[in-house]
Amino acid sequence: NAGVMQNPRHLVRRRGQEARLRCSPMKGHSHVYWYRQLPEEGLKFMVYLQKENIIDESGMPKERFSAEFPKEGPSILRIQQVVRGDSAAYFCASSTGTGASYEQYFGPGTRLTVT
Amino acid sequence: ILNVEQSPQSLHVQEGDSTNFTCSFPSSNFYALHWYRWETAKSPEALFVMTLNGDEKKKGRISATLNTKEGYSYLYIKGSQPEDSATYLCAPNGDSWGKFQFGAGTQVVVTP
Repeated sequence: NAGVMQNPRHLVRRRGQEARLRCSPMKGHSHVYWYRQLPEEGLKFMVYLQKENIIDESGMPKERFSAEFPKEGPSILRIQQVVRGDSAAYFCASSTGTGASYEQYFGPGTRLTVT
Repeated sequence: ILNVEQSPQSLHVQEGDSTNFTCSFPSSNFYALHWYRWETAKSPEALFVMTLNGDEKKKGRISATLNTKEGYSYLYIKGSQPEDSATYLCAPNGDSWGKFQFGAGTQVVVTP
């Protein structure tokens, strides 16, 4: 059973470009979470999605960031008009269900560098 | 939003020694607490999920305890080995679903 897949692993964008980060959850997992790790900081929750629904986006910046988890295909975290402050590692996790005691399985992360 | 504190920030341990560190969180609105181990350049890996006051979990040389009334969890490493070197994260849940609020982590370095 393949783990959570994320691609690309490294992404370099110039200021003003768009960044698209992909996450394929583990087989059988329909719950996806995105986290961000800024330099010298810990993991911060961004958004929680189920298939075709955003459940909680309380950790997402209000502008330029969006996320989706379509019926078919991976979850996408999209950052429009990137700025240097968006440089971070973005991690995706998935779980089989929703509930405080469900384990979340993490992908390897995408390291975004904005030049 | 839970205020999660992990201490110490970092720990240097001699191979063979035992060590422990703390995760503190508000005792109200507690649903579960997760411990993760995160090695450099890898993904965070789940160690334990704990839900009940007094819970004790063990995996090999690593164990954890939970006190929900006073709002803390300890993680213990017995007979530390170099492969135990990692950052250990705790994530208590103050929501009924899985919105993790990670602590900053305790970085453990085990030297031979």
